[in-house]
Amino acid sequence: GAGVSQSPSNKVTEKGKDVELRCDPISGHTALYWYRQSLGQGLEFLIYFQGNSAPDKSGLPSDRFSAERTGGSVSTLTIQRTQQEDSAVYLCASSESPAGTATEAFFGQGTRLTVV
Amino acid sequence: AQKVTQAQTEISVVEKEDVTLDCVYETRDTTYYLFWYKQPPSGELVFLIRRNSFDEQNEISGRYSWNFQKSTSSFNFTITASQVVDSAVYFCALSESNTGNQFYFGTGTSLTVIP
Repeated sequence: GAGVSQSPSNKVTEKGKDVELRCDPISGHTALYWYRQSLGQGLEFLIYFQGNSAPDKSGLPSDRFSAERTGGSVSTLTIQRTQQEDSAVYLCASSESPAGTATEAFFGQGTRLTVV
Repeated sequence: AQKVTQAQTEISVVEKEDVTLDCVYETRDTTYYLFWYKQPPSGELVFLIRRNSFDEQNEISGRYSWNFQKSTSSFNFTITASQVVDSAVYFCALSESNTGNQFYFGTGTSLTVIP
């Protein structure tokens, strides 16, 4: 696709429910990243995929968070038993090659998650 | 420890003034990359520039210019003759060749240009 696409744009969920956030990276980009941005805050790294593998899951806040990537393309971030502190904008980014090489990340528009 | 520091949380300038956004980074790698992103009120992060650690040449793109100084570990961003459309949050970021698993972002500087 032309850019990184995320869905849904907005999600309101009740505390305790599970949510799935989807990311469609730029076609051909092997690296994919999930970040979280709380209101007025910076970007918090969650997880990195190279192809379908996740070499770095160090940023996932708890075992309620999981992510997968299939076909080297679409990725899904799942949050189980959502809590109010999970409310944030979840950003997905992709790059041609991994961070640390001559490449930049391109970001989607984000999914704004509100847990009520 | 924070790898990227943007000490200026908020800046306000009057239209047509010049403004410099500061970025200081920390890394032990000899090969690394520095970036600036713009996040307008619409929310989507927009890539502005990438520099590698071996190229300290300053860069100018229209009203934007970047000053990379390895001696002070800084990568500052100047907007000349600011405009209202420049109002946004600006993020500086770093990626390292030896830990190529993420882009490290600063906490951002919120720039408001007053007409």
